[in-house]
Amino acid sequence: SAVISQKPSRDICQRGTSLTIQCQVDSQVTMMFWYRQQPGQSLTLIATANQGSEATYESGFVIDKFPISRPNLTFSTLTVSNMSPEDSSIYLCSGDRGPTDTQYFGPGTRLTVL
Amino acid sequence: EDKVVQSPLSLVVHEGDTVTLNCSYEVTNFRSLLWYKQEKKAPTFLFMLTSSGIEKKSGRLSSILDKKELSSILNITATQTGDSAIYLCAVFQGAQKLVFGQGTRLTINP
Repeated sequence: SAVISQKPSRDICQRGTSLTIQCQVDSQVTMMFWYRQQPGQSLTLIATANQGSEATYESGFVIDKFPISRPNLTFSTLTVSNMSPEDSSIYLCSGDRGPTDTQYFGPGTRLTVL
Repeated sequence: EDKVVQSPLSLVVHEGDTVTLNCSYEVTNFRSLLWYKQEKKAPTFLFMLTSSGIEKKSGRLSSILDKKELSSILNITATQTGDSAIYLCAVFQGAQKLVFGQGTRLTINP
């Protein structure tokens, strides 16, 4: 399986602030993705992180709220901007090693916004 | 709209019982179906199913895909308390997009 690390593992933030989550994957990973899991809900894809270019966002997610960077093959960041309590969720980074591979998930970041 | 539906949403059984979890899907450009186990935060990969009718097995867990019925089942035999988790079904829609079901919360009581 692919090795994926993520930090921070959890954080408690104040309304109106921003948090950047980092994801590091091993060199075999080609595609990287960011998901959100709201309390009691399943996983929803936020965007695909593209190396060296703008991320591809899913319907309902916008770059101003969730800016994503992927400066190289093995590293990506997700920023949750201008946070509100509704942003309290688990944020997960995932990756695969090719179009026929499964997706592996990082350990997740549990975000609580007060 | 693409969707993945799991049932039951919640299940409580006694240790040693056998359970069957269900997943049905309506997804364009179906590529494969995946099962994950989620205990705390990170979903752990269990199975990827691409071909219909071929059972995948790992220890007490097994899964099979029925492309005609657009569904899959996950079986767990001789359940243990460590099997308590949320089991997620997901389907690849096209090349890379995963669509997740709501999950089944399984509780195994000793």
